Amino acid sequence: EAGVVQSPRYKIIEKKQPVAFWCNPISGHNTLYWYRQNLGQGPELLIRYENEEAVDDSQLPKDRFSAERLKGVDSTLKIQPAELGDSAVYLCASTLAGEQFFGPGTRLTVL
Amino acid sequence: GDSVTQMEGPVTLSEEAFLTINCTYTATGYPSLFWYVQYPGEGLQLLLKATKADDKGSNKGFEATYRKETTSFHLEKGSVQVSDSAVYFCALSGSYSGAGSYQLTFGKGTKLSVIP
Repeated sequence: EAGVVQSPRYKIIEKKQPVAFWCNPISGHNTLYWYRQNLGQGPELLIRYENEEAVDDSQLPKDRFSAERLKGVDSTLKIQPAELGDSAVYLCASTLAGEQFFGPGTRLTVL
Repeated sequence: GDSVTQMEGPVTLSEEAFLTINCTYTATGYPSLFWYVQYPGEGLQLLLKATKADDKGSNKGFEATYRKETTSFHLEKGSVQVSDSAVYFCALSGSYSGAGSYQLTFGKGTKLSVIP
């Protein structure tokens, strides 16, 4: 069974540019999470989806971050415009019930 | 709110040495506790878990016991191998998020390097 797929794996952009990350969860997993992992830190939740509905986005910086999960399958996380402090690894995870399965992440570097 | 505190790394051990990575937590109610491992270039993988007090989670020679009296979930392995080199994260899930999903709170991670 394929795991959680994320792309791109690496992205380097200049500040003020837009960037988007894509996640395809494990087939059949209704719940999808986006986390941000800063260097030397553990992952922190940005947003959680139940099917296509964002049910917990309290930690998402809504002035510049947006996310969508059309049709309740794959999801896109966008940053516009990016700031230097957005450099981090962005992780996607999915679950059906219980254990969260994580993708490899997208490492974003903002110059 | 919920929080997890792990021992600072990095930790460097020789092969076959004994490993302990300390983890303590703060949470209301009765959280479940987890250890995740992140190998270089890969995503986080669940290593083991415990869902109630005095439970012992174990996998791949690693084990951890849920100690409610000391709010701890220390990770141990009797004999580490070079292949165990990775970053280890302690986490708790204390908030039921509905539909069978739980919100995870992670520690900062402890990097382990095992040398031959």
